[in-house]
Amino acid sequence: DSGVTQTPKHLITATGQRVTLRCSPRSGDLSVYWYQQSLDQGLQFLIQYYNGEERAKGNILERFSAQQFPDLHSELNLSSLELGDSALYFCASSVAGGIKDTDTQYFGPGTRLTVL
Amino acid sequence: KNQVEQSPQSLIILEGKNCTLQCNYTVSPFSNLRWYKQDTGRGPVSLTIMTFSENTKSNGRYTATLDADTKQSSLHITASQLSDSASYICVVSLYTGGFKTIFGAGTRLFVKA
Repeated sequence: DSGVTQTPKHLITATGQRVTLRCSPRSGDLSVYWYQQSLDQGLQFLIQYYNGEERAKGNILERFSAQQFPDLHSELNLSSLELGDSALYFCASSVAGGIKDTDTQYFGPGTRLTVL
Repeated sequence: KNQVEQSPQSLIILEGKNCTLQCNYTVSPFSNLRWYKQDTGRGPVSLTIMTFSENTKSNGRYTATLDADTKQSSLHITASQLSDSASYICVVSLYTGGFKTIFGAGTRLFVKA
C-alpha cells in the first residue's frame, strides 16, 4: 500500500459525459501527479500540482482539467468523453517535486475508466 | 525527437536466473532517469532514480546503471523470483523551464518456476 488513495476504482460512463476522479496523496506529500495508461499509448504524464498550484503540464487534452485543493487532495475532471479516453488513470504523490524532480513518486491503485 | 526505447519487449526466464533490461533514450536536456516495476492492473512502484552524475544505483536485487554519454541505462535483476514477473518501465525526465516526462513502452518479464 503506497498511502495514495484514488476513488472510484472503476467508472463506466457514456460518450459525451463528464466524470471526476479523486486522489488523496500520502500524508505530508505536497505534489500530486496525474497519469493516463492506455493499451495503445502506454503511460503518459498529464499534469502535476504542487501545494495547490500547477507545476508541470504534459499531454493533457483541453477537455481535461485538474486542481489541487487546500487539503492537498486533487481532482481530475474529464469532459466530453470519447471512446479513446478509456484507460487507467493513476495519481502519484511526492514530498516536494521541486526543480530537481528526484523525489520518489508513490502511485495510487488507479481508476479504471470505461467509456461506452 | 525525445524518445525512450526499451528492449526486449518481453522476456521469459527461469526462477533464480539473472537478467538485464535495456533502456536507450534520446532526451535532451536530461534531468533524471527512473525505473519502475508495474504489476498488471496496479500502480507503478519506483525502483531507482538516477541523475546525470550517478552511474549505478541499487535497490535490493535490482541494480540500475546509467551511461549519460551513450544515453543508455540498464536494469539488472539478480536471482529472479516469481514475484519479479511484471512490466519494467524506464522513464526519462527533461527540464526546459518545466519538467517533461517521457515513458518507455516497458519490458514484460515472466519468471517461470
